[in-house]
Amino acid sequence: AQSVTQPDIHITVSEGASLELRCNYSYGATPYLFWYVQSPGQGLQLLLKYFSGDTLVQGIKGFEAEFKRSQSSFNLRKPSVHWSDAAEYFCAVGEWAQGAQKLVFGQGTRLTINP
Amino acid sequence: DAGITQSPRHKVTETGTPVTLRCHQTENHRYMYWYRQDPGHGLRLIHYSYGVKDTDKGEVSDGYSVSRSKTEDFLLTLESATSSQTSVYFCAISLTSGGATYNEQFFGPGTRLTVL
Repeated sequence: AQSVTQPDIHITVSEGASLELRCNYSYGATPYLFWYVQSPGQGLQLLLKYFSGDTLVQGIKGFEAEFKRSQSSFNLRKPSVHWSDAAEYFCAVGEWAQGAQKLVFGQGTRLTINP
Repeated sequence: DAGITQSPRHKVTETGTPVTLRCHQTENHRYMYWYRQDPGHGLRLIHYSYGVKDTDKGEVSDGYSVSRSKTEDFLLTLESATSSQTSVYFCAISLTSGGATYNEQFFGPGTRLTVL
């Protein structure tokens, strides 16, 4: 069965610093990969996705992620974080079934921004 | 927001009572999903639907049932609620247009359920 691991439960960075959130997946075929963000008390918003093609994908809010098949990783990056980036971030892998796409999520990484 | 609403948004109930959560969408999307979110577990799929009256189990389906009698509504029922079902429940849809399914899911605002 596929799985997603986010090794860091909680990360604290200073405003203006760079950010990298780690995501490792286990999936037999070419994965469909996603990063979602959840602000406190809110629903989930899609940041970016990877299906095929260029392994460096750009998303909203200045985020990017790089797919590395050899490392089974899909790490999320941002060159300079803003206080508004404080949230919980979820990596997910999609599995097709009956035409639907079931998502398997990692445990999440909570991001705190120091002023 | 893909026109997804969930009701109720908050509910407190007692162990052993039945509970039904509703997910409503306004844009005729074929695929709908129910997830639960718990600290340390991320989101886990409970059930999903691939059409009217077509549903299947997800990773954590025990104790839950679903129904979809029309395209716009996907109901999640806890037949006899237990304290372990205290969670935040999210509905999601896969966008479809012109018969094609786009690969990302969009989530509703969530329902916070507390079982005492």
